[in-house]
Amino acid sequence: AQKVTQAQTEISVVEKEDVTLDCVYETRDTTYYLFWYKQPPSGELVFLIRRNSFDEQNEISGRYSWNFQKSTSSFNFTITASQVVDSAVYFCALSDSGAGNNRKLIWGLGTSLAVNP
Amino acid sequence: DGGITQSPKYLFRKEGQNVTLSCEQNLNHDAMYWYRQDPGQGLRLIYYSQIVNDFQKGDIAEGYSVSREKKESFPLTVTSAQKNPTAFYLCASTPRGTANYGYTFGSGTRLTVV
Repeated sequence: AQKVTQAQTEISVVEKEDVTLDCVYETRDTTYYLFWYKQPPSGELVFLIRRNSFDEQNEISGRYSWNFQKSTSSFNFTITASQVVDSAVYFCALSDSGAGNNRKLIWGLGTSLAVNP
Repeated sequence: DGGITQSPKYLFRKEGQNVTLSCEQNLNHDAMYWYRQDPGQGLRLIYYSQIVNDFQKGDIAEGYSVSREKKESFPLTVTSAQKNPTAFYLCASTPRGTANYGYTFGSGTRLTVV
């Protein structure tokens, strides 16, 4: 069965620290997609990144970077030089085509990140 | 700008009442979803619809109902059978009925039973 695990429930850092949010997934399929979303205090989920299972290149977008490792089934998210505005809940999600059913995302429980000034 | 509009932002309901949460999208997306989020919890799927006039139950459909009469609209009714409806409700959509593209979310409706 498909599953996404975000072992870190809450993380607290001081501004300018680097922080890594972990995401481990389970799937039997060879074709799948992984996502990260940010949920700020306002509540709306904001899309951050989509990665397919055939592309293991790491991605960098400004202060954000993602490390995808199929060997360990992990898709970790690093924020460099964190800022107070990064305080949010971050969700990792998986979409796969197992049995032809890829109609919904499988979500982790989220990691609440607090960046303190 | 294209997006998903959820209304109202805040909703108060008396016990025993049905209430309907609105979700409208102008993205021309085929599939739409309703999620419930409780404080400190993840997202739990209530219902989803891949096409007009068709929808499927999610993990926690009991006490909820939906309709999909138009592609743009996917309203959620919280019925009196839902024993603990106080929560944050999120609507989402995705093109072509596949989650492989990820979801676009609305800004949510916070429902409180008084």
